[in-house]
Amino acid sequence: ETGVTQSPTHLIKTRGQQVTLRCSSQSGHNTVSWYQQALGQGPQFIFQYYREEENGRGNFPPRFSGLQFPNYSSELNVNALELDDSALYLCASSLGGTGSRNEQFFGPGTRLTVL
Amino acid sequence: AQSVTQPDIHITVSEGASLELRCNYSYGATPYLFWYVQSPGQGLQLLLKYFSGDTLVQGIKGFEAEFKRSQSSFNLRKPSVHWSDAAEYFCAVGARAAGNKLTFGGGTRVLVKP
Repeated sequence: ETGVTQSPTHLIKTRGQQVTLRCSSQSGHNTVSWYQQALGQGPQFIFQYYREEENGRGNFPPRFSGLQFPNYSSELNVNALELDDSALYLCASSLGGTGSRNEQFFGPGTRLTVL
Repeated sequence: AQSVTQPDIHITVSEGASLELRCNYSYGATPYLFWYVQSPGQGLQLLLKYFSGDTLVQGIKGFEAEFKRSQSSFNLRKPSVHWSDAAEYFCAVGARAAGNKLTFGGGTRVLVKP
């Protein structure tokens, strides 16, 4: 059974640029959630995708957007990068959607640095 | 709205000593509760979870946690700490009504003295 993988591992961008982060969910999982973890803080929920549809969103601006593909892998896109977007971005996959117990399995994360 | 508080930012414990990490949550209905561990530069690993039933939950690596509804707490314990337990620990709450998003506490960093 393959776990959750994320790419790239590290990324450096400059303010105003756009970035795409990728996540492959665990085999058999149809739900992907994205979290932002700033240095020294707990992860914060960005949004969740279930069967290719957005299924809940946290308190993040519209320049944070996502996609889920038919194979349930996912992308997180961030436009107009700001310095405060520097963080570890975590992807988590799970089986089910709304109404499930949603035990989430996390990937190793992508470390984004915005200069 | 859900919220999680981990009152202790740092805890230092001697190897072989017991460990207890505190977690208090706020949620109107019965929550799903989780403890995750994060080693430096790594993702989150699930230690244990509570959905319903027995309020004392056993997890991996010798950890256990107790759900106390009256105190809105879900404290994590380990009887004897190993040097490899040095990491950051996060308590999280999730709920069906909230679309299953997880709300995390700020974390507790555990340092283990030899």
